[in-house]
Formats: sequence, C-alpha cells, structure tokens
Amino acid sequence: GDSVTQMEGPVTLSEEAFLTINCTYTATGYPSLFWYVQYPGEGLQLLLKATKADDKGSNKGFEATYRKETTSFHLEKGSVQVSDSAVYFCALLFNFGNEKLTFGTGTRLTIIP
Amino acid sequence: DGGITQSPKYLFRKEGQNVTLSCEQNLNHDAMYWYRQDPGQGLRLIYYSQIVNDFQKGDIAEGYSVSREKKESFPLTVTSAQKNPTAFYLCASKGRAVGTEAFFGQGTRLTVV
Repeated sequence: GDSVTQMEGPVTLSEEAFLTINCTYTATGYPSLFWYVQYPGEGLQLLLKATKADDKGSNKGFEATYRKETTSFHLEKGSVQVSDSAVYFCALLFNFGNEKLTFGTGTRLTIIP
Repeated sequence: DGGITQSPKYLFRKEGQNVTLSCEQNLNHDAMYWYRQDPGQGLRLIYYSQIVNDFQKGDIAEGYSVSREKKESFPLTVTSAQKNPTAFYLCASKGRAVGTEAFFGQGTRLTVV
C-alpha cells in the first residue's frame, strides 16, 4: 500500500545551520505531497505542498521539490532559527478517488542557539 | 472565523467506559479524518469520511467508531474494546479541489485513569 518514509530523528542543529529532512514515498500513481509542522501541544499546520512532479513548494524559507524519479520530497532550509524547533511530517494524498491522507512518522527538530 | 474545532482539549476516562470526541468544521469541507498520535509513532489513521453518511476504516480502526450524519461533524467514539486508548487525537478536514491540503484541529488528549 501507500506509505511515506521519513528521516529518523531527533535532529539537533545549531542556529543558522543548513537543514535537510529526507522524505520518500511509495505509491501507485502520482500523489500530492505535503510537509506539515507541529508545535508542542498543538495540531498540524501546513508548511508547504507540491501537486505534481518537478513542482517546488516553499514557505518561510523552507523548500521541497517533488522528484518523481526518486519518489522523494526532501525538506530543506538554508539557515534555521530557534523558532523552527518543532516536529515535521511528510504526507501524501492522491488527487483523484480515494481521499486517504497518509503521514510519515515525523521528525523532531531542535535548534540550539 | 472558519476553522475546525475539537473538544474537549483534555479528557479523562475510566477503564471500561466509552467516550466520544467532538470534531466540527465550518469550512464546507467534504472529507474529514481522525488520527491517533503516540510518541515516536507519528500519525496513524483511524477513520476517514469522504462524504456525508459514508466513512472508511483507516489503519487502526479496531476499538473505535464514527458517524457522519452532518457535513460539519465527524465525532469519534473510543469504545471499551480499545485496549490502549491513552493518546493525542487529531481531527482534520479537506476540501474537494485537487491538491488542496487538510486543515487540523488543536487535538484532544485522552487519558485513561
């Protein structure tokens, strides 16, 4: 079945470091891909998305490119801040038919000053 | 304001009792979802509904039940058959348009005492 595999955490970085969180997926067809962020005790917020191959989603300095050939959607940021500390989830959803929204296990990111 | 509301934020249940978690949205979304979140396991799909009066089991439906009598509402009942119900429960909703993202409530933390 459909699945999302995320980089194991937790990840700890110093402020202003470069961030990569890997995400790969297994699916039949061509899903939409999402990155969500969760702050402590809260629900999930959409960070960025891409709906077709080669699309790049971006928001708040974060970027991810939909790579069909490698079935990946890695999250990157050039210079992280303490306020980026949170749990990040990669997710996929098919564009037609079944509306099942599948998440990865999440990656906890901690940024130290 | 448009959004998705979960209540209560904290819930305590005695062993052997059923309990119902509320989820309401005023976004006019067709699809609604329930997820369970445990530490280190990410989000696991319990049930989802693509339209009123219809719903599908997710990956961990045993011990849970849902109804979708109104478009705005998708309550989740945690039954006494659920062996380990203590968790953080998240509800989400999504519009019909291709590539649209899901919106999440703030979650309900259920504790069995």
